Amino acid sequence: EAGVVQSPRYKIIEKKQPVAFWCNPISGHNTLYWYLQNLGQGPELLIRYENEEAVDDSQLPKDRFSAERLKGVDSTLKIQPAELGDSAVYLCASSLYSQAEQYFGPGTRLTVT
Amino acid sequence: AQSVTQLGSHVSVSEGALVLLRCNYSSSVPPYLFWYVQYPNQGLQLLLKYTSAATLVKGINGFEAEFKKSETSFHLTKPSAHMSDAAEYFCAVRLISNFGNEKLTFGTGTRLTIIP
Repeated sequence: EAGVVQSPRYKIIEKKQPVAFWCNPISGHNTLYWYLQNLGQGPELLIRYENEEAVDDSQLPKDRFSAERLKGVDSTLKIQPAELGDSAVYLCASSLYSQAEQYFGPGTRLTVT
Repeated sequence: AQSVTQLGSHVSVSEGALVLLRCNYSSSVPPYLFWYVQYPNQGLQLLLKYTSAATLVKGINGFEAEFKKSETSFHLTKPSAHMSDAAEYFCAVRLISNFGNEKLTFGTGTRLTIIP
């Protein structure tokens, strides 16, 4: 069974540019999460989806970050415009339902110069 | 507020020695606690979880953790370290956010180095 797939794995952009990350969860998983992991820190939840509905986006900086999960499967996280402080690893995870075990993807390492 | 604190950002042990990674939690209700492992350039993988059943929890790769309410601790141990155990380990607690949503809150992580 394929795990959570994320692309790209690495991204380098200049500040003020837009960037997008893509996540394909494990087949059949209804819940999808986006986490931010700063260097030397644990992951922090940005947004959680139940199917196509964002049920917890309280930690998503909505002035520059946006996310969507069309048809309740794949998801895209976007930053526009990117700032230097956005340099981090962006992790996607999925689970069968919201209280089930979360399976993490390998992450996208973003560097903003 | 509910949170976890990992004591020691870096731990080094010799191959074959005991591994002990410390985690203390703060929770006003019985917590659900987790340990995750992260290998370089990979996502997190669940090692084990405590969900109010047995206080001694066995996980994958020979790891186990004991929930001690009196000490508010959930330390991770392995009797004999292997070179392949070198990784970053995260303790996490499931808590209720201000908006009534459940979410995992992670500690800052402990990097485990195995000395040959």
